[in-house]
Amino acid sequence: QKEVEQNSGPLSVPEGAIASLNCTYSDRGSQSFFWYRQYSGKSPELIMSIYSNGDKEDGRFTAQLNKASQYVSLLIRDSQPSDSATYLCAVKMGAGSARQLTFGSGTQLTVLP
Amino acid sequence: DVKVTQSSRYLVKRTGEKVFLECVQDMDHENMFWYRQDPGLGLRLIYFSYDVKMKEKGDIPEGYSVSREKKERFSLILESASTNQTSMYLCASSPGTAYNSPLHFGNGTRLTVT
Repeated sequence: QKEVEQNSGPLSVPEGAIASLNCTYSDRGSQSFFWYRQYSGKSPELIMSIYSNGDKEDGRFTAQLNKASQYVSLLIRDSQPSDSATYLCAVKMGAGSARQLTFGSGTQLTVLP
Repeated sequence: DVKVTQSSRYLVKRTGEKVFLECVQDMDHENMFWYRQDPGLGLRLIYFSYDVKMKEKGDIPEGYSVSREKKERFSLILESASTNQTSMYLCASSPGTAYNSPLHFGNGTRLTVT
């Protein structure tokens, strides 16, 4: 079983719709959760982080965390073609560990004009 | 802004060659990392370093070694390149081990071994 799993995609949504990206993780002790966006041929860039149960909003992005269900999601409201990218879920497993992040394999999102 | 610079954007090497991938960060970060990224497999950790001259194996260290002689520089070495090491290599750094320390990535090196 993979430690961090994402819905495999690819996911296509029309412009203006809500895109929902999901991620589950296996380590109950995980404390920190990150979403990275990666455009084709580019390196990942951090777009959201979340540490507590509930929702965290930043502009059109909302991260949701449910530690009991070991589930984290990213919602993108009013999706734009420029949001077309691969979204990587990353989980920090264990406090104080320099090992840092375990990544999911990513979900490819296409926003159709 | 944090800057992580990888020395080469594209590299083509022959099987059996010794290959050096260089990475430099300018923010005095303690931790540095090497990942490789392959379609369908995501990002996999090869090695990381939490201090000068200190290193730890990641999930896929076989066929690789690393060097960190100075805090700002972390090198990945392929002792004898093989075709299965054709991949995108990403260097990253982070300021510490706190729960809220994200990774900052370089632009990547696409290595092809023929």
